[in-house]
Amino acid sequence: DQQVKQNSPSLSVQEGRISILNCDYTNSMFDYFLWYKKYPAEGPTFLISISSIKDKNEDGRFTVFLNKSAKHLSLHIVPSQPGDSAVYFCVLNPASNYQLIWGAGTKLIIKP
Amino acid sequence: DVKVTQSSRYLVKRTGEKVFLECVQDMDHENMFWYRQDPGLGLRLIYFSYDVKMKEKGDIPEGYSVSREKKERFSLILESASTNQTSMYLCASSKDVTNEKLFFGSGTQLSVL
Repeated sequence: DQQVKQNSPSLSVQEGRISILNCDYTNSMFDYFLWYKKYPAEGPTFLISISSIKDKNEDGRFTVFLNKSAKHLSLHIVPSQPGDSAVYFCVLNPASNYQLIWGAGTKLIIKP
Repeated sequence: DVKVTQSSRYLVKRTGEKVFLECVQDMDHENMFWYRQDPGLGLRLIYFSYDVKMKEKGDIPEGYSVSREKKERFSLILESASTNQTSMYLCASSKDVTNEKLFFGSGTQLSVL
């Protein structure tokens, strides 16, 4: 059973526009919600996180929104830049054991 | 900057061989992890370690073992490689017990023929 789903395997966005990546999860026992970014031939790198007690966290061009009632997480990138082209993973951090649970990833392509 | 180094970028092995994947981190992190990544799937945790000589099974430990004799080094061992272990293997470390921020190596693409 998948606890986290990223339903869009890929997303193509024009440079300068907003990129919105979505993630749904199936239970409520999570302490933190994270986004990681991965370039080809590199390991994932931490991008941004949000605590379960908040509904928004912003860091420069990146904003993460958490809707606990809908069990939905989204990452907004604005404005999108060519360097944002990467695979983005939605990651859940359960308070019980801190073993991260990873989504399958969404490949974001920023078109010039 | 934290650096996590995996010994090989690409590895080709034959079925039945014993395979060692090595990982070294240089930031004195307590926690180290081995994941595998397969197309269409998220990262799946194989084993992790919170201290020297300590190991815990992750979600998919079958067919694997690990060794952590020194704090900076965490080895993944495939006792008898099989074709279904062909995958990208990623090592990570973290300092924070909540493991919010993992630092990853570049990965080892293992092909078992």
